[in-house]
Amino acid sequence: AQKITQTQPGMFVQEKEAVTLDCTYDTSDPSYGLFWYKQPSSGEMIFLIYQGSYDQQNATEGRYSLNFQKARKSANLVISASQLGDSAMYFCAMREGRNDYKLSFGAGTTVTVRA
Amino acid sequence: GAVVSQHPSWVICKSGTSVKIECRSLDFQATTMFWYRQFPKQSLMLMATSNEGSKATYEQGVEKDKFLINHASLTLSTLTVTSAHPEDSSFYICSVPSGRPRETQYFGPGTRLLVL
Repeated sequence: AQKITQTQPGMFVQEKEAVTLDCTYDTSDPSYGLFWYKQPSSGEMIFLIYQGSYDQQNATEGRYSLNFQKARKSANLVISASQLGDSAMYFCAMREGRNDYKLSFGAGTTVTVRA
Repeated sequence: GAVVSQHPSWVICKSGTSVKIECRSLDFQATTMFWYRQFPKQSLMLMATSNEGSKATYEQGVEKDKFLINHASLTLSTLTVTSAHPEDSSFYICSVPSGRPRETQYFGPGTRLLVL
């Protein structure tokens, strides 16, 4: 079974608007971590934001915020005030367990920001 | 600045040759590093966990004799693609976990391998 599901293959967003990228996950481990990465066409993986399973508040990092709904097992990324430089592939990933740092990735969502 | 470096950034080789890719952690020591592979327009797939001082742990379906991993020091892991074939052409990328309290996993810039 897929551990991370990203159902939006591609999205278009107007510059300066907000966009929400969906991510649902599946795990039976009570301790896990959720990550979002941005991959521009150059290929580098840029860390955006992290949410731990025991974190009480939703994570925020500048224009990025994570809408963590534990009961629904969803961890959607919200990008506010989109910029042209936000055009890229975005991956949701999960780490399971306290001592295992390897990540499982979703299929990714391509975001294209229009001027 | 970069936290993880990879070398080379891209390589073209003939079928049957071996290619070595280096991954270096620049800012901190890493007893564990990870190697991923990414085909065009696809997601990252974990290949193996590189462990300093012990053997690498390979994911199911990854041939350990074909993808040799050596964690030579606390800052260096190498991936050698032995007897490369065109189907091994891919984007190889390593990562280093930074650990708690602010849990982050840093990725190298990746290596594009083209086997002719």
